[in-house]
Amino acid sequence: AQTVTQSQPEMSVQEAETVTLSCTYDTSESDYYLFWYKQPPSRQMILVIRQEAYKQQNATENRFSVNFQKAAKSFSLKISDSQLGDAAMYFCALISNFGNEKLTFGTGTRLTIIP
Amino acid sequence: DVKVTQSSRYLVKRTGEKVFLECVQDMDHENMFWYRQDPGLGLRLIYFSYDVKMKEKGDIPEGYSVSREKKERFSLILESASTNQTSMYLCASSHPPGLAAADEQYFGPGTRLTVT
Repeated sequence: AQTVTQSQPEMSVQEAETVTLSCTYDTSESDYYLFWYKQPPSRQMILVIRQEAYKQQNATENRFSVNFQKAAKSFSLKISDSQLGDAAMYFCALISNFGNEKLTFGTGTRLTIIP
Repeated sequence: DVKVTQSSRYLVKRTGEKVFLECVQDMDHENMFWYRQDPGLGLRLIYFSYDVKMKEKGDIPEGYSVSREKKERFSLILESASTNQTSMYLCASSHPPGLAAADEQYFGPGTRLTVT
């Protein structure tokens, strides 16, 4: 079984500042993908960033980057230069690459941007 | 752009009614999923399908069934709706693992179902 834990139900950050959302996970698989999904209020969930477990380099997408610590099973999301449009629920998720097509989600972190 | 659509954004049904939630995707994805989203619980997988007429139970299948007669369409059925099935239901689709852009799931807008 695989599990994903997000220990911060809510976070807030001043506009233009940097915020880090935490995620830890557990899986017995050696090959897997980790994701951060964003769900804006009343809008569809979209993928923010993806990390493949066998890649040591942390993924980056514009203002979004991850800190992937495989040994610690930690996968945090850093949002730089926070913008009002970043306000959303953020979900960390895990899928194993082979044989298990189920995506396991964390419970989410609600991010508020303070103008 | 990938598009996943769901038949209703809001739905109100009475206890005991049979409820159908429809999901359609236009990207020829093999995999389709139904989740329910509840505050503090995140998304939990109800059922998924990896091919037409194929289905597998997720983590919380009790009280639900699914149908996939066509590749693009995946239906969630509540045989006899109960108040504890009041929730947000999200549909998603993806290619199977192993392809170049595999594993990203594309989500529909969700159906907020209220059972009274």
